[in-house]
Amino acid sequence: AQKITQTQPGMFVQEKEAVTLDCTYDTSDPSYGLFWYKQPSSGEMIFLIYQGSYDQQNATEGRYSLNFQKARKSANLVISASQLGDSAMYFCAMREGHGRGSTLGRLYFGRGTQLTVWP
Amino acid sequence: DVKVTQSSRYLVKRTGEKVFLECVQDMDHENMFWYRQDPGLGLRLIYFSYDVKMKEKGDIPEGYSVSREKKERFSLILESASTNQTSMYLCASSPGTAHTGELFFGEGSRLTVL
Repeated sequence: AQKITQTQPGMFVQEKEAVTLDCTYDTSDPSYGLFWYKQPSSGEMIFLIYQGSYDQQNATEGRYSLNFQKARKSANLVISASQLGDSAMYFCAMREGHGRGSTLGRLYFGRGTQLTVWP
Repeated sequence: DVKVTQSSRYLVKRTGEKVFLECVQDMDHENMFWYRQDPGLGLRLIYFSYDVKMKEKGDIPEGYSVSREKKERFSLILESASTNQTSMYLCASSPGTAHTGELFFGEGSRLTVL
């Protein structure tokens, strides 16, 4: 079974509107971390936001917020006031465990959502 | 800033050639990773290393090997390249100490095998 599922291969949003990119995850580990990365057409992976499983509040970083619904195993990314420069591929990822040690540093990635922002 | 440098952005190789992809990080990170990225499949882990000379198989290790002789350098080796290894290869690193687990990525190496 996939550990990270992104069901939207592509999304379109008009400039200045908000958009939500969906992500669900699957783990039995009580300690885990959830990440969102942005990959523009140039190819580099840009870290956007992180949410720990024990964090009580949803993470926010500028125009990015993570809508964390633990019971539903959902970690959707919300981008407010979209900009043309937000057009990119977006990946959701998960780390299981504490992030230390031999096997706990890896991230599992979803298949990505291609976001297109139009004027 | 953390910098992860991959030796080649673009490579074109022939079937059967031995291919080396080099990755160097300058932040003394313990963990290093090689992912492969294909359209519609996301990023899949090939190999990772949590210490010098240590390596662990990821989800798709077949056809690949790795080498980590120094802490800052992690090499991906394709012993005999095949056309189905045409892909984007991403190297990443992360600290081994208490940390969120965020990965720091290189710019990627796009490999074409003819």
